[in-house]
Amino acid sequence: SAVISQKPSRDICQRGTSLTIQCQVDSQVTMMFWYRQQPGQSLTLIATANQGSEATYESGFVIDKFPISRPNLTFSTLTVSNMSPEDSSIYLCSVDQGDGYTFGSGTRLTVV
Amino acid sequence: QKEVEQNSGPLSVPEGAIASLNCTYSDRVSQSFFWYRQYSGKSPELIMSIYSNGDKEDGRFTAQLNKASQYVSLLIRDSQPSDSATYLCAVNEDTGRRALTFGSGTRLQVQP
Repeated sequence: SAVISQKPSRDICQRGTSLTIQCQVDSQVTMMFWYRQQPGQSLTLIATANQGSEATYESGFVIDKFPISRPNLTFSTLTVSNMSPEDSSIYLCSVDQGDGYTFGSGTRLTVV
Repeated sequence: QKEVEQNSGPLSVPEGAIASLNCTYSDRVSQSFFWYRQYSGKSPELIMSIYSNGDKEDGRFTAQLNKASQYVSLLIRDSQPSDSATYLCAVNEDTGRRALTFGSGTRLQVQP
Protein backbone atom coordinates (compact mmCIF):
# COMPACT_ATOMS: atom_id res chain seq x y z
CA SER A 1 0.00 0.00 0.00
CA ALA A 2 1.03 3.60 -0.53
CA VAL A 3 3.04 5.40 2.09
CA ILE A 4 2.13 9.02 2.75
CA SER A 5 4.52 11.44 4.38
CA GLN A 6 2.68 14.36 5.92
CA LYS A 7 4.26 17.36 7.56
CA PRO A 8 4.36 19.17 9.82
CA SER A 9 3.08 16.68 12.38
CA ARG A 10 1.98 19.49 14.64
CA ASP A 11 2.17 23.24 14.93
CA ILE A 12 1.03 26.04 17.16
CA CYS A 13 0.14 29.14 15.19
CA GLN A 14 -0.90 32.66 15.92
CA ARG A 15 -4.34 33.88 15.02
CA GLY A 16 -4.44 35.51 11.58
CA THR A 17 -1.47 33.62 10.15
CA SER A 18 -1.41 30.77 7.60
CA LEU A 19 -0.02 27.26 7.68
CA THR A 20 0.76 25.04 4.72
CA ILE A 21 0.54 21.28 5.17
CA GLN A 22 2.33 18.97 2.76
CA CYS A 23 1.61 15.40 1.73
CA GLN A 24 4.01 13.32 -0.31
CA VAL A 25 2.94 9.90 -1.61
CA ASP A 26 5.41 7.23 -2.64
CA SER A 27 3.38 6.32 -5.73
CA GLN A 28 1.34 8.18 -8.30
CA VAL A 29 -2.32 8.68 -7.43
CA THR A 30 -5.09 10.39 -9.32
CA MET A 31 -6.99 11.84 -6.41
CA MET A 32 -5.91 13.07 -3.03
CA PHE A 33 -8.38 13.93 -0.31
CA TRP A 34 -8.05 16.39 2.52
CA TYR A 35 -9.98 15.84 5.75
CA ARG A 36 -10.38 17.73 8.99
CA GLN A 37 -10.95 16.08 12.34
CA GLN A 38 -12.02 18.47 15.04
CA PRO A 39 -11.43 17.51 18.68
CA GLY A 40 -13.53 14.52 19.64
CA GLN A 41 -15.18 14.42 16.23
CA SER A 42 -15.05 12.25 13.16
CA LEU A 43 -13.47 13.09 9.81
CA THR A 44 -15.01 15.71 7.56
CA LEU A 45 -13.97 16.00 3.93
CA ILE A 46 -12.58 19.41 3.02
CA ALA A 47 -11.79 18.89 -0.66
CA THR A 48 -10.70 16.50 -3.36
CA ALA A 49 -7.54 17.38 -5.26
CA ASN A 50 -6.89 16.16 -8.79
CA GLN A 51 -3.64 16.83 -10.56
CA GLY A 52 -3.96 19.53 -13.18
CA SER A 53 -7.35 20.86 -12.13
CA GLU A 54 -8.93 22.96 -9.43
CA ALA A 55 -9.75 21.18 -6.21
CA THR A 56 -13.38 20.36 -5.52
CA TYR A 57 -14.52 21.74 -2.16
CA GLU A 58 -17.25 20.40 0.08
CA SER A 59 -20.06 22.52 1.40
CA GLY A 60 -18.78 24.82 4.12
CA PHE A 61 -15.20 24.94 2.83
CA VAL A 62 -13.94 27.59 0.42
CA ILE A 63 -10.82 28.01 -1.63
CA ASP A 64 -9.88 31.35 -0.09
CA LYS A 65 -9.71 29.75 3.34
CA PHE A 66 -8.25 26.37 2.32
CA PRO A 67 -6.28 26.76 -0.91
CA ILE A 68 -4.95 23.48 -2.26
CA SER A 69 -2.19 22.79 -4.72
CA ARG A 70 -1.66 19.56 -6.64
CA PRO A 71 1.36 20.11 -8.87
CA ASN A 72 1.93 16.43 -9.70
CA LEU A 73 0.61 12.94 -9.04
CA THR A 74 2.56 12.40 -5.82
CA PHE A 75 2.28 15.68 -3.95
CA SER A 76 -0.32 18.07 -2.57
CA THR A 77 -0.49 20.94 -0.12
CA LEU A 78 -3.33 22.36 1.93
CA THR A 79 -3.04 25.86 3.34
CA VAL A 80 -5.14 26.99 6.28
CA SER A 81 -5.39 30.75 5.84
CA ASN A 82 -6.13 33.59 8.23
CA MET A 83 -6.42 31.13 11.08
CA SER A 84 -8.70 31.46 14.07
CA PRO A 85 -8.96 29.22 17.15
CA GLU A 86 -11.88 27.44 15.46
CA ASP A 87 -9.39 26.04 12.93
CA SER A 88 -7.66 24.05 15.67
CA SER A 89 -8.02 20.50 14.38
CA ILE A 90 -6.19 17.57 12.96
CA TYR A 91 -5.78 17.77 9.21
CA LEU A 92 -5.30 14.57 7.24
CA CYS A 93 -4.56 13.76 3.64
CA SER A 94 -5.70 10.50 2.11
CA VAL A 95 -5.39 8.51 -1.10
CA ASP A 96 -7.48 5.74 -2.61
CA GLN A 97 -5.56 2.47 -2.72
CA GLY A 98 -8.20 0.65 -4.75
CA ASP A 99 -9.24 -1.48 -1.78
CA GLY A 100 -9.35 1.10 0.94
CA TYR A 101 -8.00 4.51 1.62
CA THR A 102 -4.68 5.26 3.30
CA PHE A 103 -4.16 8.29 5.50
CA GLY A 104 -1.17 10.41 6.28
CA SER A 105 -0.08 10.67 9.88
CA GLY A 106 -1.96 13.94 10.32
CA THR A 107 -1.12 17.51 11.27
CA ARG A 108 -2.30 18.64 14.68
CA LEU A 109 -2.91 22.36 14.46
CA THR A 110 -3.46 24.59 17.46
CA VAL A 111 -4.34 28.23 16.87
CA VAL A 112 -3.75 30.64 19.74
CA GLN B 1 -27.24 14.34 2.35
CA LYS B 2 -25.43 11.12 2.96
CA GLU B 3 -25.35 10.08 6.62
CA VAL B 4 -23.45 7.37 8.37
CA GLU B 5 -24.61 6.62 11.89
CA GLN B 6 -22.73 4.89 14.68
CA ASN B 7 -23.29 4.56 18.38
CA SER B 8 -20.62 6.69 20.02
CA GLY B 9 -20.18 4.30 22.95
CA PRO B 10 -18.11 3.62 24.83
CA LEU B 11 -18.69 -0.05 24.22
CA SER B 12 -17.05 -1.98 27.02
CA VAL B 13 -16.30 -5.70 26.69
CA PRO B 14 -14.15 -8.04 28.74
CA GLU B 15 -10.97 -9.45 27.32
CA GLY B 16 -11.65 -12.52 25.19
CA ALA B 17 -15.24 -11.56 24.40
CA ILE B 18 -16.77 -10.65 21.05
CA ALA B 19 -17.16 -6.95 20.36
CA SER B 20 -19.96 -6.01 17.96
CA LEU B 21 -19.85 -2.62 16.29
CA ASN B 22 -22.71 -1.39 14.16
CA CYS B 23 -23.21 1.21 11.45
CA THR B 24 -26.17 2.32 9.38
CA TYR B 25 -26.08 4.50 6.30
CA SER B 26 -28.75 6.49 4.54
CA ASP B 27 -27.61 6.59 0.93
CA ARG B 28 -28.85 3.60 -1.08
CA VAL B 29 -26.25 4.15 -3.80
CA SER B 30 -23.39 3.49 -1.40
CA GLN B 31 -21.31 0.67 -2.80
CA SER B 32 -18.13 0.39 -0.76
CA PHE B 33 -17.85 0.07 2.98
CA PHE B 34 -14.84 0.31 5.23
CA TRP B 35 -13.96 -0.08 8.87
CA TYR B 36 -11.09 1.94 10.29
CA ARG B 37 -9.46 1.81 13.68
CA GLN B 38 -8.14 5.00 15.22
CA TYR B 39 -6.00 5.07 18.32
CA SER B 40 -5.95 8.29 20.28
CA GLY B 41 -3.63 10.80 18.62
CA LYS B 42 -3.11 8.62 15.56
CA SER B 43 -4.54 8.62 12.06
CA PRO B 44 -7.14 6.04 10.96
CA GLU B 45 -5.89 2.68 9.78
CA LEU B 46 -7.91 0.39 7.54
CA ILE B 47 -9.14 -2.84 9.08
CA MET B 48 -11.62 -4.21 6.58
CA SER B 49 -13.37 -3.38 3.35
CA ILE B 50 -16.59 -5.02 2.18
CA TYR B 51 -18.51 -4.59 -1.03
CA SER B 52 -21.04 -7.45 -1.23
CA ASN B 53 -23.83 -8.63 1.01
CA GLY B 54 -22.79 -11.22 3.54
CA ASP B 55 -19.78 -11.78 5.74
CA LYS B 56 -16.10 -11.18 5.15
CA GLU B 57 -13.57 -12.57 7.60
CA ASP B 58 -9.97 -11.54 8.21
CA GLY B 59 -8.34 -13.05 11.25
CA ARG B 60 -10.26 -12.00 14.35
CA PHE B 61 -12.34 -9.50 12.38
CA THR B 62 -15.58 -10.15 10.50
CA ALA B 63 -17.42 -7.49 8.53
CA GLN B 64 -21.08 -8.03 7.75
CA LEU B 65 -23.03 -6.13 5.11
CA ASN B 66 -26.77 -6.01 4.50
CA LYS B 67 -27.55 -3.55 1.73
CA ALA B 68 -31.31 -4.07 1.95
CA SER B 69 -31.24 -2.93 5.57
CA GLN B 70 -28.43 -0.40 4.90
CA TYR B 71 -26.44 -1.88 7.71
CA VAL B 72 -22.81 -2.85 8.14
CA SER B 73 -21.19 -4.30 11.22
CA LEU B 74 -17.81 -5.34 12.51
CA LEU B 75 -17.27 -8.24 14.88
CA ILE B 76 -14.03 -8.56 16.80
CA ARG B 77 -13.50 -12.01 18.27
CA ASP B 78 -11.25 -12.71 21.24
CA SER B 79 -11.05 -8.99 22.00
CA GLN B 80 -7.74 -7.79 23.41
CA PRO B 81 -6.92 -4.66 25.41
CA SER B 82 -4.91 -3.54 22.37
CA ASP B 83 -8.19 -3.40 20.44
CA SER B 84 -9.28 -0.48 22.61
CA ALA B 85 -9.68 2.35 20.12
CA THR B 86 -12.30 4.27 18.18
CA TYR B 87 -13.75 2.37 15.23
CA LEU B 88 -14.91 4.40 12.28
CA CYS B 89 -17.36 3.22 9.66
CA ALA B 90 -16.95 4.79 6.22
CA VAL B 91 -18.88 4.50 2.98
CA ASN B 92 -18.62 5.79 -0.54
CA GLU B 93 -20.75 5.77 -3.66
CA ASP B 94 -18.02 4.36 -5.87
CA THR B 95 -18.86 7.11 -8.35
CA GLY B 96 -16.71 9.94 -9.60
CA ARG B 97 -16.71 11.64 -6.25
CA ARG B 98 -14.79 8.77 -4.70
CA ALA B 99 -14.36 10.34 -1.25
CA LEU B 100 -15.37 8.56 1.93
CA THR B 101 -18.09 9.67 4.30
CA PHE B 102 -17.36 8.74 7.89
CA GLY B 103 -19.55 7.94 10.84
CA SER B 104 -18.83 9.56 14.16
CA GLY B 105 -17.07 6.45 15.45
CA THR B 106 -17.62 4.02 18.31
CA ARG B 107 -15.17 3.96 21.16
CA LEU B 108 -14.34 0.42 22.22
CA GLN B 109 -12.87 -0.40 25.61
CA VAL B 110 -11.62 -3.93 26.22
CA GLN B 111 -11.28 -4.60 29.94
CA PRO B 112 -8.37 -6.85 30.99
